[in-house]
Amino acid sequence: DGGITQSPKYLFRKEGQNVTLSCEQNLNHDAMYWYRQDPGQGLRLIYYSQIVNDFQKGDIAEGYSVSREKKESFPLTVTSAQKNPTAFYLCASSIYAHTGELFFGEGSRLTVL
Amino acid sequence: SQKIEQNSEALNIQEGKTATLTCNYTNYSPAYLQWYRQDPGRGPVFLLLIRENEKEKRKERLKVTFDTTLKQSLFHITASQPADSATYLCALPPSGNTGKLIFGQGTTLQVKP
Repeated sequence: DGGITQSPKYLFRKEGQNVTLSCEQNLNHDAMYWYRQDPGQGLRLIYYSQIVNDFQKGDIAEGYSVSREKKESFPLTVTSAQKNPTAFYLCASSIYAHTGELFFGEGSRLTVL
Repeated sequence: SQKIEQNSEALNIQEGKTATLTCNYTNYSPAYLQWYRQDPGRGPVFLLLIRENEKEKRKERLKVTFDTTLKQSLFHITASQPADSATYLCALPPSGNTGKLIFGQGTTLQVKP
């Protein structure tokens, strides 16, 4: 079945550590996105990529980094510079950038201890 | 700047009744609007897209309206079931209708048996 796979589902991190969240898709979509979701707030865009080897900052990119070396993969690194990293992180894809529906993964919940 | 508002208070209804959720927006005219369903701890799932020239769209027990004069979309679930209990998000393209989707904070629906 085609879809988006995020891992890990739950992750705990000590302050000062970097952590990388994985996102893989087999939908052959060009565009991929990372969102952050906090209680009572809408989804906020961290980074997006319209094509391999290219990515753009979203609204809250500070303290995060991404790479897009393969069409299928768009990992997100939460660095120690991110001041409030505890959140629910969602990866999504679409056929083309910013058009049509988004397909989301199941999310990764990061807790900083 | 664009603003999207969904009722932050949870909507509680009895099974079999029609649930109506509201999405209001200000300061621009989106070319389309999307609705997503999100279950606790999971990623959103796309439900419907309605374009500005469509007044109404239906999918099984779901109905979405788009009133560009009132700047409002209504999302209806008829003959609601406990399995419809979830958070429902609306999403719109930004001003200019190109670029990343903007999500509302969502409204939680609770259908009681």
